[in-house]
Amino acid sequence: NAGVTQTPKFRVLKTGQSMTLLCAQDMNHEYMYWYRQDPGMGLRLIHYSVGEGTTAKGEVPDGYNVSRLKKQNFLLGLESAAPSQTSVYFCASSLQGGGYTFGSGTRLTVV
Amino acid sequence: KQEVTQIPAALSVPEGENLVLNCSFTDSAIYNLQWFRQDPGKGLTSLLLIQSSQREQTSGRLNASLDKSSGRSTLYIAASQPGDSATYLCAVSGVDSSYKLIFGSGTRLLVRP
Repeated sequence: NAGVTQTPKFRVLKTGQSMTLLCAQDMNHEYMYWYRQDPGMGLRLIHYSVGEGTTAKGEVPDGYNVSRLKKQNFLLGLESAAPSQTSVYFCASSLQGGGYTFGSGTRLTVV
Repeated sequence: KQEVTQIPAALSVPEGENLVLNCSFTDSAIYNLQWFRQDPGKGLTSLLLIQSSQREQTSGRLNASLDKSSGRSTLYIAASQPGDSATYLCAVSGVDSSYKLIFGSGTRLLVRP
């Protein structure tokens, strides 16, 4: 099925641990995004990519890194997890300005 | 800096009522505006996309309007049903080349049977 797949769906980390969230899309979209959603708030942009090999910072990039080595994959890394990074993370891909598709999210808890 | 505000934050209505959700944005230089639906614990589903040159879009019982000059959009839901209960998010993309979305905090809608 075409769409955006996020892995894993749930994860519990201890403070200071590292992890990578994977986002994969099979729609040949150029644009990919990582957002986080906290209770009572909308989504905030962490990092984004406008094409293979490119990345850029969004609104809340501190504590995260990303890579886009292949067009279909966009990885989000946490080098040293902190409780403030407890959140639900959403990946999205899009055509040029339209046709956004979101993944189902990764629920991350940092204890 | 673009800011998106949604009013009200929560809304409870009886089944069958027509309702309006509001979205406002501070910078009128937008590429498009989108409305999404989010069910509890789920991802986002795109409902309607309005390009900056358009005034409205319709899909079934949903109608979204855009007044770019005043920085406002409304989502009209006709004959509401309990299945419409969800959080509705408004988002705008700017005119830069990233097409990144700036989201409002959403309106949580409950339609009572």
